[in-house]
Amino acid sequence: DADVTQTPRNRITKTGKRIMLECSQTKGHDRMYWYRQDPGLGLRLIYYSFDVKDINKGEISDGYSVSRQAQAKFSLSLESAIPNQTALYFCATSDHKQGDSYNEQFFGPGTRLTVL
Amino acid sequence: AQSVAQPEDQVNVAEGNPLTVKCTYSVSGNPYLFWYVQYPNRGLQFLLKYITGDNLVKGSYGFEAEFNKSQTSFHLKKPSALVSDSALYFCAVRPRNTGGFKTIFGAGTRLFVKA
Repeated sequence: DADVTQTPRNRITKTGKRIMLECSQTKGHDRMYWYRQDPGLGLRLIYYSFDVKDINKGEISDGYSVSRQAQAKFSLSLESAIPNQTALYFCATSDHKQGDSYNEQFFGPGTRLTVL
Repeated sequence: AQSVAQPEDQVNVAEGNPLTVKCTYSVSGNPYLFWYVQYPNRGLQFLLKYITGDNLVKGSYGFEAEFNKSQTSFHLKKPSALVSDSALYFCAVRPRNTGGFKTIFGAGTRLFVKA
């Protein structure tokens, strides 16, 4: 979805390096998410943010950190990358400003990260 | 534990034939149910959702899904498959009354439509 962009699209790095994945959205949504996709495991939630001042850990947050720089920007950092963090990473957004909890998510195109 | 099962890793169907991609879930209450599709090198795209009401939900690209409360299933269907429907399909379940942040995804089913 062009309304949610991710950079870089592909990244190869070495063990121990710090890297940052960035996500921007033009949908005006309040909520943003970072997921990780591994073959056969579906998507797993790393972090989510309800708004700029509200950031929460997901089910697999160890080894990751995030920053919500603005409503439209949500970045994911790997402080010291390790090989088992090799995966496809997706940013997503959703609109809950009306209090609805059944709205669908909109996903970015993904970042393929390889840690050697 | 809450879970979503997509029992088939891959579904093969001939173009023009009906298709079904299965999904069952183990989530308490009456969760919201979603289907997403992922094409190569793309993010997930929303297809349809079930909130309440009619058990048959219609979505994008001619897809529909049938909710069965007693079987806790939400199978994706299409009357006539197209080669362009070949993609990875994810079922997702969101418990109610959890603030709306938690969505549990199935592992995905790869649909292959042969011409």
